[in-house]
Amino acid sequence: DAEITQSPRHKITETGRQVTLACHQTWNHNNMFWYRQDLGHGLRLIHYSYGVHDTNKGEVSDGYSVSRSNTEDLPLTLESAASSQTSVYFCASRQGSTDTQYFGPGTRLTVL
Amino acid sequence: GNSVTQMEGPVTLSEEAFLTINCTYTATGYPSLFWYVQYPGEGLQLLLKATKADDKGSNKGFEATYRKETTSFHLEKGSVQVSDSAVYFCALSDYGGSQGNLIFGKGTKLSVKP
Repeated sequence: DAEITQSPRHKITETGRQVTLACHQTWNHNNMFWYRQDLGHGLRLIHYSYGVHDTNKGEVSDGYSVSRSNTEDLPLTLESAASSQTSVYFCASRQGSTDTQYFGPGTRLTVL
Repeated sequence: GNSVTQMEGPVTLSEEAFLTINCTYTATGYPSLFWYVQYPGEGLQLLLKATKADDKGSNKGFEATYRKETTSFHLEKGSVQVSDSAVYFCALSDYGGSQGNLIFGKGTKLSVKP
């Protein structure tokens, strides 16, 4: 079955370190998204991509970057982790001709 | 800009009680509307959706009707079960707009007691 996976599921890091969260989907969807989930804020969009080599900033993109070198993967990089980036991160994908997104299981990131 | 407002939680109900979670939206154009559910420790799953005014989305006993006149998409279920305990998110997709991304409400946590 097609799916969307995220790794690692849990990560603890220190302030100032670079961290990369992986997202991999096997649906061949051309749209992919990264969100963060925080209490009292719901889900907020960090970055998104509508295809290979396409990346766009979302609502809360400062301190994050993404790159899209193939259809299946959209890694999220925190260039210099900060305590304010402690959160649960969700990746999602969508076929470009539809409006339904499919979510991964999430990565819980703690920045100490 | 586009936004979604849903009722604050947490909501605690007894099994077999009636559930309503209110959701209203602000949007230009004609967005699609969604309810997503997040069970403990999991990612979000699409529960139901509606793509135009007066459409009713339904799934697993849950229903929501797209009301353009009141800009609402309230989630209802006639008889909740313990297994319905989860966080519920209302969302809109301005697919016809320049970005076509999801905008979420803050979520409503539902706890159902036996």
